[in-house]
Amino acid sequence: LAKTTQPISMDSYEGQEVNITCSHNNIATNDYITWYQQFPSQGPRFIIQGYKTKVTNEVASLFIPADRKSSTLSLPRVSLSDTAVYYCLVGDRHILTGGGNKLTFGTGTQLKVEL
Amino acid sequence: GAGVSQSPSNKVTEKGKDVELRCDPISGHTALYWYRQSLGQGLEFLIYFQGNSAPDKSGLPSDRFSAERTGGSVSTLTIQRTQQEDSAVYLCASSLASIGSGANVLTFGAGSRLTVL
Repeated sequence: LAKTTQPISMDSYEGQEVNITCSHNNIATNDYITWYQQFPSQGPRFIIQGYKTKVTNEVASLFIPADRKSSTLSLPRVSLSDTAVYYCLVGDRHILTGGGNKLTFGTGTQLKVEL
Repeated sequence: GAGVSQSPSNKVTEKGKDVELRCDPISGHTALYWYRQSLGQGLEFLIYFQGNSAPDKSGLPSDRFSAERTGGSVSTLTIQRTQQEDSAVYLCASSLASIGSGANVLTFGAGSRLTVL
């Protein structure tokens, strides 16, 4: 199983760049790395996905080193509305056996943004 | 539909009663997932469907929990003889694919909050 480890919480201020790192030492060759954002009383929402190197979209960047054993979600210029829990997800798939796709979320990182 | 729909949004039941939670995934999404989230906790994987079959049921907490999916669409999660520790938000998600880059892109519903008194 590709378990993930993230910091439990992080604090920041509006306008700052926030970097959240996730460790996934047992990542498999075919696994992608996906990040989600969850607000209270809502289901998680997809933010960004990558396989290696760097991916950027309109809301975030994802940095993945060559060994892929970690990844860093970068949120530029955060605002109060970015206060949420951020989850790193690494797929656990059994393609060869045709088995299930147990996508296991980590404990998440509670980001708190203040004025 | 446009998104993943779950019902009921809130359910209060008495200990020992059975409950049924429903998930209507995005049309065309072949993969469907159930997760459980207790207050202030992360997401606990319960079960995954590819089409109507569930290759991995190992996440179900006990034999009181069961799930089925029919027609490759709607899924129901049934909890028999509910216990207080079953109180949680039950989240359903669907994805377009089960392998490849799309497999990890899940769209979640708003969840069903279950309270067992």
